[in-house]
Amino acid sequence: GAVVSQHPSRVICKSGTSVKIECRSLDFQATTMFWYRQFPKQSLMLMATSNEGSKATYEQGVEKDKFLINHASLTLSTLTVTSAHPEDSSFYICSILLAGGPTDTQYFGPGTRLTVL
Amino acid sequence: AQSVTQLDSHVSVSEGTPVLLRCNYSSSYSPSLFWYVQHPNKGLQLLLKYTSAATLVKGINGFEAEFKKSETSFHLTKPSAHMSDAAEYFCVPNAGGTSYGKLTFGQGTILTVHP
Repeated sequence: GAVVSQHPSRVICKSGTSVKIECRSLDFQATTMFWYRQFPKQSLMLMATSNEGSKATYEQGVEKDKFLINHASLTLSTLTVTSAHPEDSSFYICSILLAGGPTDTQYFGPGTRLTVL
Repeated sequence: AQSVTQLDSHVSVSEGTPVLLRCNYSSSYSPSLFWYVQHPNKGLQLLLKYTSAATLVKGINGFEAEFKKSETSFHLTKPSAHMSDAAEYFCVPNAGGTSYGKLTFGQGTILTVHP
C-alpha cells in the first residue's frame, strides 16, 4: 500500500484564525487526493477532491472559500481552514487515489484533529 | 448509484471467537467494494478490496470477505478475534461514472472484543 502523512496531527487555534493542514504522499505520486471530515461519533464525509494542477472540486454544502485546497505537487495537498469557528472543530482526513483500473484504491492519512476555541 | 448497508451498528465478540461483520450492497452492476478499519482517533486502513478478480478476498490481519452476488453481500469475517481488532469497520463502494474514485462512507460497524 501507500503511505500518507498529515501534519499537524493535532492543532488548537482561536476562533477567527486560519489553519493549514498538509497531506503528503510519501511513496507514490498522487494526481488525485481527497479531503474528508469526521465529526465525533459520525462517519467520514467527503469534502472535496483535490486534483494536481487544477482547482479542487467541492461537495455540495462545503464552502470553497472557507476550505481552501491547494494541490501544488504530485505529493502534497494542503487544506486551509480560513476564519475557523468552533463548529469547524473536527477530524480532517486526507487520502490519495492510486489509479489502476479495477484496483483503484484510496489510502488514508492518519488524520488531523482540529479544535477551535 | 451504488450503496451499501452495514446491517449491524455494533458487534460484540469474545477474544478468540469468530467475527462476522455484515454488508449488503445495492447495485445494478458488479461493484467495486472495500473494507476499511478505523481505530480510535486514527485514519483508515484498507483491509481488503473486491474488484471481481476473485469472490473470496483475503485481507490483512486474518480478515477475509466473500462476494456473493446471489445474496448481494460482502460480509467480513475473521476466524478468531484479537483484542487489537476492536475498531470501527466500514464497507465502502467505489463510485463510478463522474464520481469515479469517490468513497461514500456509511455509519460503519463498531466491533468490541471482550477478554
